[in-house]
Amino acid sequence: DGGITQSPKYLFRKEGQNVTLSCEQNLNHDAMYWYRQDPGQGLRLIYYSQIVNDFQKGDIAEGYSVSREKKESFPLTVTSAQKNPTAFYLCASSMSGETKQFFGPGTRLTVL
Amino acid sequence: QKEVEQDPGPLSVPEGAIVSLNCTYSNSAFQYFMWYRQYSRKGPELLMYTYSSGNKEDGRFTAQVDKSSKYISLFIRDSQPSDSATYLCAILNTGGFKTIFGAGTRLFVKA
Repeated sequence: DGGITQSPKYLFRKEGQNVTLSCEQNLNHDAMYWYRQDPGQGLRLIYYSQIVNDFQKGDIAEGYSVSREKKESFPLTVTSAQKNPTAFYLCASSMSGETKQFFGPGTRLTVL
Repeated sequence: QKEVEQDPGPLSVPEGAIVSLNCTYSNSAFQYFMWYRQYSRKGPELLMYTYSSGNKEDGRFTAQVDKSSKYISLFIRDSQPSDSATYLCAILNTGGFKTIFGAGTRLFVKA
């Protein structure tokens, strides 16, 4: 099956720890995105990547980092610098120049 | 002013009702309009995609765009309990890359 996978589904982190969220796609999409979703708010763009080895900051990149070493993979690291990391994190992908994005199932991160 | 405004609801309707979900936007450069459906604790899935003003129909769903009023709507006919979800509008300007999402409207369809 073609699609986007995210792992883990649930993640718990202690304050001061860095954690990495996985996102993999086998849709052969060039572009990949990371969003954060909080209750009552729309999806906010953290980082996006249009091609391998290149990525750009979105609206709320502070406290996050990404890498794009492979077309299929776009991991997100939530660092200890992110002051309010508890949220639902969504990864998406799209064909280059295509407006329609396809989303993964999400990772719910909770800081204890 | 937010670029996209969407009433978060919740909206509760009986089974079989016609549902109207709406968004307004501020930038006339926006040209692509989408509706996503998101079930609880799941990722959003693309439901409807339109480019021009007017109506686009797909089964029980109709997407409507009024560019002169900067107003987009999603209508659901013969609503079912399985339609209970959060519906997010999303817009994008021509040549742009960043999709702007509304806050989402929570819909409950009661059997």
